[in-house]
Amino acid sequence: EAGVTQSPTHLIKTRGQQATLRCSPISGHTSVYWYQQALGLGLQFLLWYDEGEERNRGNFPPRFSGRQFPNYSSELNVNALELEDSALYLCASCAGQGQETQYFGPGTRLLVL
Amino acid sequence: QQQVKQSPQSLIVQKGGISIINCAYENTAFDYFPWYQQFPGKGPALLIAIRPDVSEKKEGRFTISFNKSAKQFSLHIMDSQPGDSATYFCAATWAGGTSYGKLTFGQGTILTVHP
Repeated sequence: EAGVTQSPTHLIKTRGQQATLRCSPISGHTSVYWYQQALGLGLQFLLWYDEGEERNRGNFPPRFSGRQFPNYSSELNVNALELEDSALYLCASCAGQGQETQYFGPGTRLLVL
Repeated sequence: QQQVKQSPQSLIVQKGGISIINCAYENTAFDYFPWYQQFPGKGPALLIAIRPDVSEKKEGRFTISFNKSAKQFSLHIMDSQPGDSATYFCAATWAGGTSYGKLTFGQGTILTVHP
């Protein structure tokens, strides 16, 4: 069974640009989570989507947004990039609401110059 | 109150030794506590998880000990191997309130096992 996949693996942008990151969950999983792993700051919860709806949001500004498509894949958009947005962005999926076990993808390394 | 505090930040153990990583939490509503292992350049992988109704759970060389009254839980790695060298994260979640659906992670422990 294929795991969570993310693309691209690396992304280099400059300040003020927009970044789009993509995630495909494990087959059969309907929930997708996004986390930011910045150096020295651990994993911080960004967003949770289930059945196409945003269910919960972490303490991040509105320029972090996303969506979930009918096939349950998801994309994370970061607008007006700032230097401190440089981080590893991790996507996780689980089988649905009420299921706690989250399985992570390999991440997208975003570098903002 | 949503924090999970993890210690130590780094740990060096000799091959065959026992690695112990500790976590403490404040939110008594947390009811699911997973541990993740992360190798450089990879995403975190679920190792083992426990619920508060159990004081201990063992899977192979990995054991979680849970102390509900102290609001603490720990990961023990028996017979530590160089291949166990990685960053370990504890986490907590509960199916309610603003925590619904999200994992709250500890800051991570970098484990190095010397051969």
